[in-house]
Amino acid sequence: AQSVAQPEDQVNVAEGNPLTVKCTYSVSGNPYLFWYVQYPNRGLQFLLKYITGDNLVKGSYGFEAEFNKSQTSFHLKKPSALVSDSALYFCAVRDYGYGQNFVFGPGTRLSVLP
Amino acid sequence: GAVVSQHPSRVICKSGTSVKIECRSLDFQATTMFWYRQFPKQSLMLMATSNEGSKATYEQGVEKDKFLINHASLTLSTLTVTSAHPEDSSFYICSALARAASTDTQYFGPGTRLTVL
Repeated sequence: AQSVAQPEDQVNVAEGNPLTVKCTYSVSGNPYLFWYVQYPNRGLQFLLKYITGDNLVKGSYGFEAEFNKSQTSFHLKKPSALVSDSALYFCAVRDYGYGQNFVFGPGTRLSVLP
Repeated sequence: GAVVSQHPSRVICKSGTSVKIECRSLDFQATTMFWYRQFPKQSLMLMATSNEGSKATYEQGVEKDKFLINHASLTLSTLTVTSAHPEDSSFYICSALARAASTDTQYFGPGTRLTVL
């Protein structure tokens, strides 16, 4: 079965500093990995995805994520955080060949302090 | 990116009434849409998978007679909360699956805040 863990409920970072939001996953087959961001009272916005190829994936708003197969991780990163990046971040995985469902992590709340 | 709309964005209703929420994929066709429920400060809970032209697949514990899903076209799925009660108050989010050569990606609607008095 697929599963996603986001070990940190909350991440605080100062504006201008690099940020990392962690995600680890478990799948039986090949993982398709996604990051979404949710602003208050809004739906989720797609940030980026990993399918295959280069382990470093670049996405929207300056975010990137690094796929690490040996560590089964897909951490979200940004070199310089903005206050406007403060939101709830969800990691999701889809196990290719095991249906259409995406499994979402519990979410990590990112607070960027001015 | 692909755009998904949801209507209404907010609804307040009396206990016992029914509420319909629409989910539309605006610039792509979606044979599959998903309906989620999100409680405060929690992750998304998948309620059902909606496939165009066929019956929805409900997750365990979700009452199909209470949460009616209709996916009548490739761009529209509706969720009807029948005989709503205060415990049905929640944030409901739909998503549409955009198919691509490499992999599918879910695109989400903005959500509907349902409050049942």
